[in-house]
Amino acid sequence: DAGVIQSPRHEVTEMGQEVTLRCKPISGHDYLFWYRQTMMRGLELLIYFNNNVPIDDSGMPEDRFSAKMPNASFSTLKIQPSEPRDSAVYFCASSQRPNEQFFGPGTRLTVL
Amino acid sequence: SQQGEEDPQALSIQEGENATMNCSYKTSINNLQWYRQNSGRGLVHLILIRSNEREKHSGRLRVTLDTSKKSSSLLITASRAADTASYFCATGTGNQFYFGTGTSLTVIP
Repeated sequence: DAGVIQSPRHEVTEMGQEVTLRCKPISGHDYLFWYRQTMMRGLELLIYFNNNVPIDDSGMPEDRFSAKMPNASFSTLKIQPSEPRDSAVYFCASSQRPNEQFFGPGTRLTVL
Repeated sequence: SQQGEEDPQALSIQEGENATMNCSYKTSINNLQWYRQNSGRGLVHLILIRSNEREKHSGRLRVTLDTSKKSSSLLITASRAADTASYFCATGTGNQFYFGTGTSLTVIP
């Protein structure tokens, strides 16, 4: 298996633009997590899915953020409109059980 | 906050020495995990210790858990330059885990 795949790896956009981050979890994993990592706040859990259903989105910072998982092999995290303070590395992780999580390489987002 | 807190924030040692990192947390947990993150990469799971366990080993890693003190430690023995990375503890119950801010370990060859 190729592991968790995220795209793009780097994204540079201007304030106000829509940003869509993509994730393909490991096949057979029932859980998918979206995290954001910054120097100031560390690694924050944004939302997680179980069997494609969002279970807890309490970590989503505000309504500008939305996440979907239309099927077991694909998830998106969308920011609309983006702001400079959204600049961070966004990680997707998947797991077969809610224990050991496998992380993707991350998407480094820069909002100018 | 349910996040664990690692201590120290940064650690620099010579190759061959042992490295010890600590994690403190605030709420009851089912288990505690340690992850490693190399620069520019995602996190990699190292080891999981359950709340009813006190110590666990995996290769050069030794993890202890003291639930009465709500703390855990990660010991890396005979460190190597390749161990240079950030190390995070993750605590939680059920399906959610909260990561600490990490310890940055530098192993000098």
